[in-house]
Amino acid sequence: DAKTTQPPSMDCAEGRAANLPCNHSTISGNEYVYWYRQIHSQGPQYIIHGLKNNETNEMASLIITEDRKSSTLILPHATLRDTAVYYCIVRYRPGFQGAQKLVFGQGTRLTINP
Amino acid sequence: GAVVSQHPSWVICKSGTSVKIECRSLDFQATTMFWYRQFPKQSLMLMATSNEGSKATYEQGVEKDKFLINHASLTLSTLTVTSAHPEDSSFYICSGGSSGASDTQYFGPGTRLTVL
Repeated sequence: DAKTTQPPSMDCAEGRAANLPCNHSTISGNEYVYWYRQIHSQGPQYIIHGLKNNETNEMASLIITEDRKSSTLILPHATLRDTAVYYCIVRYRPGFQGAQKLVFGQGTRLTINP
Repeated sequence: GAVVSQHPSWVICKSGTSVKIECRSLDFQATTMFWYRQFPKQSLMLMATSNEGSKATYEQGVEKDKFLINHASLTLSTLTVTSAHPEDSSFYICSGGSSGASDTQYFGPGTRLTVL
């Protein structure tokens, strides 16, 4: 079962920052937070992941609260091509049984408007 | 990121026939591969996990004799849907993971199966 809660949908204006929240209040110290997105009729695309520190890459930033019970994915300058379903997934760190499993919830359908 | 390919990208078959879907990791060795199924307007559901050279581990409710998985090499896994029926029509997606510090999974583009 998915261990995360996300809003079902969000809208954002093109060029603005898109902030996607995720609640993972039952996360354990051995679990990472991963973000993937799925554009219509394609396979999921890896975006970013983190354990407890904030992370940034060329696609997005990940802000994890100090208690690790929630996180926010930030797309700094959203474009129309960022319209997709965004999945926040909690997953065990390598070395734990079943560590590699990704359990997908319903995600957030993000629509970028022109 | 790493690249995973799937073949075919779409297939239409008659009820009762078998269909094989290939999943390849193109620029990394996937010690573990995963197969997912996604019905319209639903999320991805994990079907099975396969490790190179060993039997696949199926999720509860997935028939292992109907969905045959072979992971013969570090770059290739196949899913065969045997005696396909219309209810097997779905979007099948594979992913590959390599051992490592982050062990990130990378997904293929998916295969759309339509059973008539």
